[in-house]
Amino acid sequence: DTGVSQNPRHKITKRGQNVTFRCDPISEHNRLYWYRQTLGQGPEFLTYFQNEAQLEKSRLLSDRFSAERPKGSFSTLEIQRTEQGDSAMYLCASSFSATKNTEAFFGQGTRLTVV
Amino acid sequence: AQSVAQPEDQVKVAEGNPLTVKCTYSVSGNPYLFWYVQYPNRGLQFLLKYITGDNLVKGSYGFEAEFNKSQTSFHLKKPSALVSDSALYFCAVRDLAGAGSYQLTFGKGTKLSVIP
Repeated sequence: DTGVSQNPRHKITKRGQNVTFRCDPISEHNRLYWYRQTLGQGPEFLTYFQNEAQLEKSRLLSDRFSAERPKGSFSTLEIQRTEQGDSAMYLCASSFSATKNTEAFFGQGTRLTVV
Repeated sequence: AQSVAQPEDQVKVAEGNPLTVKCTYSVSGNPYLFWYVQYPNRGLQFLLKYITGDNLVKGSYGFEAEFNKSQTSFHLKKPSALVSDSALYFCAVRDLAGAGSYQLTFGKGTKLSVIP
């Protein structure tokens, strides 16, 4: 499978616990994005990497959220001290920066439930 | 700031009939416009995009969309709907003129139901 891969697909955690999600982009893609989608809403942008550099962060990305892409390949999104409001689908996408016109390809997402 | 509106939460059409899913946008500069489809328990799949050029763009699975700059719209269309087209459709915009130029802003989505 050469698409964007996200793990785990589902995560149930207790409030206050930390969670970490992983995203493996399409291999030649140097741009990587994280989005959050809640029920009945469209995806909302969280952050964006070009190679290993985090270039954009949304105001939605509170201090409890941190994302990394240490070698410009896979990325992790960590949520510390989870709250019930963090329950959502977390989507990762990647694209290739040869031109500005390329579309982003999305993974299947990680569904987080905070109980 | 950029924004997208999908005025219909749900669209129902009979199989074989034409379908339209509406989208309007707001950007400060020139828009890049996208349509994605989401099936249950699956990620977003890219359907088509408008960057520049011909206002009618063709995409995957027989879908097409018409860019109308004066009406700031980018409606998704298909001449003959299939039951398998039933899914959640998202319109998205990117404004290269503004800050955060690589982020997509999505609409809330439109649930398309094709009735056999």
